[in-house]
Amino acid sequence: ETGVTQTPRHLVMGMTNKKSLKCEQHLGHNAMYWYKQSAKKPLELMFVYSLEERVENNSVPSRFSPECPNSSHLFLHLHTLQPEDSALYLCASSQDPGHHNYGYTFGSGTRLTVV
Amino acid sequence: QKEVEQNSGPLSVPEGAIASLNCTYSDRVSQSFFWYRQYSGKSPELIMSIYSNGDKEDGRFTAQLNKASQYVSLLIRDSQPSDSATYLCAVNIGGGADGLTFGKGTHLIIQP
Repeated sequence: ETGVTQTPRHLVMGMTNKKSLKCEQHLGHNAMYWYKQSAKKPLELMFVYSLEERVENNSVPSRFSPECPNSSHLFLHLHTLQPEDSALYLCASSQDPGHHNYGYTFGSGTRLTVV
Repeated sequence: QKEVEQNSGPLSVPEGAIASLNCTYSDRVSQSFFWYRQYSGKSPELIMSIYSNGDKEDGRFTAQLNKASQYVSLLIRDSQPSDSATYLCAVNIGGGADGLTFGKGTHLIIQP
């Protein structure tokens, strides 16, 4: 496989469930990101990992818990979510966030619906 | 507050004409600027990047950057119906590990 792959593509979960989103990149990048995309709002940066260390957490509620076991894999663990958390969750990767000359490659996203 | 502003549109352009998309940003120390295209139900796709003042051309696309005015634009020449999408402006403010800040996007419609 090439690029950035996300699973699952669609997820419906209840507010008391625990689920995880998975992201894998095959590009040799060393930074990975979670973004949330809601209708009529800009993409919201949630977490940044550089060289497997979390370098940014944009005031995201604790019901979202990221994990980056290595430079190729990124997870977003979900528990006790709210209906307003329903959105498209996008994973992205890039080469060295300190380098100005690269944009991101996005995965296809997980469409999450909380019921 | 880091902000990236775009007109949400829709911007309607006849086929074959030039589509002009605009973006302003709030942080003067911003270093890198990107345009992404997002089709409905799909993820964003990088189409252009620009780092220096002036124009950068790639095929039918031209990105323009004016750091003094904190303004970046994207021109699409010979617009095609397949160009109909939402175009997202993104700014890497100061580099480092801050991540990209995105605008809300401009919905572009190319009329056949």
